[in-house]
Amino acid sequence: DSGVTQTPKHLITATGQRVTLRCSPRSGDLSVYWYQQSLDQGLQFLIHYYNGEERAKGNILERFSAQQFPDLHSELNLSSLELGDSALYFCASSGVLETQYFGPGTRLLVL
Amino acid sequence: AQSVTQPDIHITVSEGASLELRCNYSYGATPYLFWYVQSPGQGLQLLLKYFSGDTLVQGIKGFEAEFKRSQSSFNLRKPSVHWSDAAEYFCAVAARGGSYIPTFGRGTSLIVHP
Repeated sequence: DSGVTQTPKHLITATGQRVTLRCSPRSGDLSVYWYQQSLDQGLQFLIHYYNGEERAKGNILERFSAQQFPDLHSELNLSSLELGDSALYFCASSGVLETQYFGPGTRLLVL
Repeated sequence: AQSVTQPDIHITVSEGASLELRCNYSYGATPYLFWYVQSPGQGLQLLLKYFSGDTLVQGIKGFEAEFKRSQSSFNLRKPSVHWSDAAEYFCAVAARGGSYIPTFGRGTSLIVHP
């Protein structure tokens, strides 16, 4: 158990819909990272937040957005969903030493 | 920007045999290096990491990795594989400084035969 929690574990929705994925980092970790894992793209970095502020953006679509709240939990919002958005979405957190600890992931299926 | 290559998509070994998973990186200086393992339906678990110092790094579950600067490699090894080691293994590299965002390889799937 990494100490990072993600909800929900599974999510099934339809094209065009909007969903919110939630992540709670390890106690004391200020950084939260979001990743998308798919068979064709591998593990892709989406976005990084540190203590509530966006620090880095990766291959994140404009339809996707994230935020980190004062209690340090983070949400990833995916809107206007397409079939190709079906993937595993991971959250990771880190403290000072740049080592990321991953949550169990949310499996999103868009039908 | 850094990049990571894991040349083997699948590797099959017999239980009890030794294992070496290859990882090559491209980066202008010495990066931070990581190996993660992902079991089916699970998140990624950190096996070991290299930041500096001794180039032979010991990790959890009996794994070790050796950083070779001259070969830009960070290969993962285990002397005797157990059936429970069957999983997907990811090598990752992160640049020193900045936001330390790691770049992951495409992974190597380890199959263990009894």
